[in-house]
Amino acid sequence: AQSVTQLDSQVPVFEEAPVELRCNYSSSVSVYLFWYVQYPNQGLQLLLKYLSGSTLVESINGFEAEFNKSQTSFHLRKPSVHISDTAEYFCAVAPTDKLIFGTGTRLQVFP
Amino acid sequence: DVKVTQSSRYLVKRTGEKVFLECVQDMDHENMFWYRQDPGLGLRLIYFSYDVKMKEKGDIPEGYSVSREKKERFSLILESASTNQTSMYLCASSLWAGGGNQPQHFGDGTRLSIL
Repeated sequence: AQSVTQLDSQVPVFEEAPVELRCNYSSSVSVYLFWYVQYPNQGLQLLLKYLSGSTLVESINGFEAEFNKSQTSFHLRKPSVHISDTAEYFCAVAPTDKLIFGTGTRLQVFP
Repeated sequence: DVKVTQSSRYLVKRTGEKVFLECVQDMDHENMFWYRQDPGLGLRLIYFSYDVKMKEKGDIPEGYSVSREKKERFSLILESASTNQTSMYLCASSLWAGGGNQPQHFGDGTRLSIL
């Protein structure tokens, strides 16, 4: 069965520091990969997705993720975080129309 | 933009009650989903519907049922609510793609407490 592993349940960082949220997936077939963000008391919003083509994908708010097929990873990075990036981040894989989610990483940005 | 609307943000019910959670989407999506979200467990799929009157069990369907009589509306039913069903419930929708390349769009969630 497919699975997604987010090794870090919490990541505390200071404002303007770089951050990496790790995501590994298990799959023997081609999959589509997503990162979602959940701000407090809200539903999930799509942050970025990898479907095909360039292995580096970017979001409009400065996050990027790199698909690495050999390491089955899709880590999320941002070179300089803001207080407003405080949220929970979910990695997901889609072998079919149903998503398989990781357990989430809580990013806490401190001033 | 896609709008997925869940009827209640917060709901408090008693054990044994029959509970209905409603979800409506406005983008003519074929797929609709119900998840529950618990700390440390991420999102777990309860039920999935790919068309009107069509449904498929997810990972944790026990104690739940669903109804999809119209394309835009997907209801989650707790037949006899129990305290272990206290959770955040999230509804989502997506275009049918068959292969998973369409993102899901989520509602804001219903925080359900069973007392």
